[in-house]
Amino acid sequence: SAVISQKPSRDICQRGTSLTIQCQVDSQVTMMFWYRQQPGQSLTLIATANQGSEATYESGFVIDKFPISRPNLTFSTLTVSNMSPEDSSIYLCSVEEAGQDVANEQFFGPGTRLTVL
Amino acid sequence: GNSVTQMEGPVTLSEEAFLTINCTYTATGYPSLFWYVQYPGEGLQLLLKATKADDKGSNKGFEATYRKETTSFHLEKGSVQVSDSAVYFCALSDADSNYQLIWGAGTKLIIKP
Repeated sequence: SAVISQKPSRDICQRGTSLTIQCQVDSQVTMMFWYRQQPGQSLTLIATANQGSEATYESGFVIDKFPISRPNLTFSTLTVSNMSPEDSSIYLCSVEEAGQDVANEQFFGPGTRLTVL
Repeated sequence: GNSVTQMEGPVTLSEEAFLTINCTYTATGYPSLFWYVQYPGEGLQLLLKATKADDKGSNKGFEATYRKETTSFHLEKGSVQVSDSAVYFCALSDADSNYQLIWGAGTKLIIKP
């Protein structure tokens, strides 16, 4: 299975600033996903990032607020722009690997814990 | 649309107790079903999965059987340990969701020694 690392693991930021989160995978993958997990909540998909195309954003998330880069098959970044305390959350990247059956599994990075003051 | 419903937590058990975490789903097609686990301070890990009716997924002593007649995928373990304390998420994917994962709300499990 893919091994995924994220940087930073945590950060405390001032409102109005931006933070870029990096996601590195140890193998080439087509599909990468960015999720947000607010305290005590389930996961919410922010966007799907495929290499060579624009990211696809879910309802409620926009590119100006969460710009994503996907320069190659092993790396992606998510930027949280013009942060407010409501952006305090854990941000997770995941990748999809084709399973041997129809269930394509997702593997997750350790997450980035963001606190906005 | 597709959805996943899990029993609310936290679930608190004593060590060696029997565990059941209920998960039911709504889907128009034939989804694949997953259980993910999130240990404190860590990311999510796939615990087990099942891709068709009557399949049983198993891992680390945990089991779940895909029951199409009851649209359920309950997670069970015969004897829990303190190290099983974590948040457990049930999820599904199928063609109707473009194979994106649809997540349950998560169930926090606390095991006391």
